[in-house]
Amino acid sequence: DAKTTQPNSMESNEEEPVHLPCNHSTISGTDYIHWYRQLPSQGPEYVIHGLTSNVNNRMASLAIAEDRKSSTLILHRATLRDAAVYYCILIKGAQKLVFGQGTRLTINP
Amino acid sequence: GAGVSQSPSNKVTEKGKDVELRCDPISGHTALYWYRQSLGQGLEFLIYFQGNSAPDKSGLPSDRFSAERTGGSVSTLTIQRTQQEDSAVYLCASTPLAGLLYNEQFFGPGTRLTVL
Repeated sequence: DAKTTQPNSMESNEEEPVHLPCNHSTISGTDYIHWYRQLPSQGPEYVIHGLTSNVNNRMASLAIAEDRKSSTLILHRATLRDAAVYYCILIKGAQKLVFGQGTRLTINP
Repeated sequence: GAGVSQSPSNKVTEKGKDVELRCDPISGHTALYWYRQSLGQGLEFLIYFQGNSAPDKSGLPSDRFSAERTGGSVSTLTIQRTQQEDSAVYLCASTPLAGLLYNEQFFGPGTRLTVL
């Protein structure tokens, strides 16, 4: 299975943009890039997914490198509620999610 | 609308006892998953149900673990002769279509199991 690498932790300030990186150098052509997040004491929550093109939704934007070996989740204006562990996952039609350690995002008021 | 619900929210049991954890998926969702998450760890897949197909049990850690899904809706995860290493948060998720590529998984709040 293709693996993803994320920083263990990141810190940002409230109302500022946050860029969460993910490396997936062994990604295959059929892998979709998904992001989930997990707020404290809650189950994981879907954030966004993409294949090749950049994607936007109400929660975030996903920027995918042209060679697809890396991607960046962008929170345009962080709030305290965005403090969570963010997981970058590659999915190739598998019927389960495999989460690594993710990036713990801290938002300072 | 109603999300995925799980019960109980917390369960404390003694080593060697059996426990049952319940999951009510979102109505109409065809696929249901069980995961567990130990303290400070990532998700560990346990089992997957989709429609009337045979479940994917490849993640169950031992034969003490079993799960069923009745009527394509509610699911029960049973752990027999619980051990202390079974202590974890057990998460249930459902998705409206069998494939994951285009569909998000909706997670419940989890059941925190503590085995003394």
